This record gives sequence, C-alpha cells and structure tokens, in this order.
Amino acid sequence: QTVVTQEPSFSVSPGETVTLTCALSSGSVSTAYFPSWYQQSPGQAPRTLIYNTNSRSSGVPDRFSGSILGSQAALTITGAQADDDSVYYCVLYMGRSWVFGGGTKLTVL
Amino acid sequence: EVLLVQSGAEVKKPGESLRISCKGSGYIFSSYVISWVRQMPGKGLEWMGRIDPSDSYTNYSPSFQGHVSMSADKSIVTASLQWSSLRASDTAIYYCAREDGWNAFDIWGQGTVVTVSS
Repeated sequence: QTVVTQEPSFSVSPGETVTLTCALSSGSVSTAYFPSWYQQSPGQAPRTLIYNTNSRSSGVPDRFSGSILGSQAALTITGAQADDDSVYYCVLYMGRSWVFGGGTKLTVL
Repeated sequence: EVLLVQSGAEVKKPGESLRISCKGSGYIFSSYVISWVRQMPGKGLEWMGRIDPSDSYTNYSPSFQGHVSMSADKSIVTASLQWSSLRASDTAIYYCAREDGWNAFDIWGQGTVVTVSS
C-alpha cells in the first residue's frame, strides 16, 4: 500500500520562510499525482490552500505556494505569520483514489 | 455561495445503524463528485471514498470497503454516508468534500461528529 509521508512537525519564527514536503514511500511525486495542500486549525474543517501542484485556491494569501522540489511535492510559506500555526496535509491522486499524508504540525513562535 | 452543509452530531451504540448527510447548495450538485473523509480523534485525515451524484457510481478506499456505503439523491441535492453496524472505532469526525476533478477538494462541509459508545 502506498504511503504518503510528511514531516510530523516543524517550527518557525514569524517572518521566516518554511517549506513542508510530501513524499511517496516508493517513487517520486510528480505533477501527475495532482498534489494539493490543506490547512486545518483546531476544531475547524480543512481549508484548501493549493491544488494541482501550484494553483492557489480563491482567497488564499500569496505567501502560500506549491511546487515540485526534486522528488517531492512542496508547500512553501514565505513570511510565516502567527495565523499559520496549524496542521497541513498534502493529498496525492493515485488513479481512482486519493491518499492523504499524515500531516505536518507547523508551530509559529 | 457554494456550500456543503452536513447533518448534526450523532451518539450511537455499537451495532446500531446510522446515516449522515451532506447537502449541496450554490452549484449544480450532479456535476461534481463528493468524497468522504474521516478524522479519528487526534489523528489525521483519511480518504474513505467518493460518489458521483450524476449516476451514483462509487469507489471506496480498501480500508473502508464493505463497512460503509455511500449514496446520493440528486432530487434533494444530498449525499449520504451509511453504516449498518457501527463499531466503537467508527468514532470520528466525518467530512464531505466536493471534488473538482484533478483539482482535488475545493469545498468542505463543516463535519459531522459521530460518537459510538456503549
């Protein structure tokens, strides 16, 4: 079974840039997996940030960007803010199904 | 405004049946697939499966196949997730999400909390 792996946690200071990654247990992530990224704050439903690798969802600040870095999908937050303190999930398309990564808990302090 | 509104919290006993719902508004309901996503207490998101409201075609994650069923009724623009026999391990928040083709999930419901306890 394919496993999608994310860093369990990350810590960043306000104003810094952070890149979260999304990898496959076997093989490289490419645009063919249509990676997307979601932010979830405590007690809230997920919020869509990035879809189809690098398209920003409506209303999402441009400090959030998506890309492929090497063999992984990546979410970069340029100039992190306190509001960005959340859990971030990537999702990959596996042909007829979607698989979520385990999520990265980002702490901004 | 495009919305998915889910039914309210449920408290059930093991072995009982349950149906939760997800009502779409602000768009053509039959034009978009609906996925269901589980979040167990303190855990991450898990894709359960999807249903195409236009023809009720479903496909399930192997992890959930046979334990849940998905349905959709275009006439009332509602998708449903159903269990015939709940287990304590079904305790979770369940989200419905609209799939925008390859663009994954663009709209999310607010979630339905399901608690299964004797």
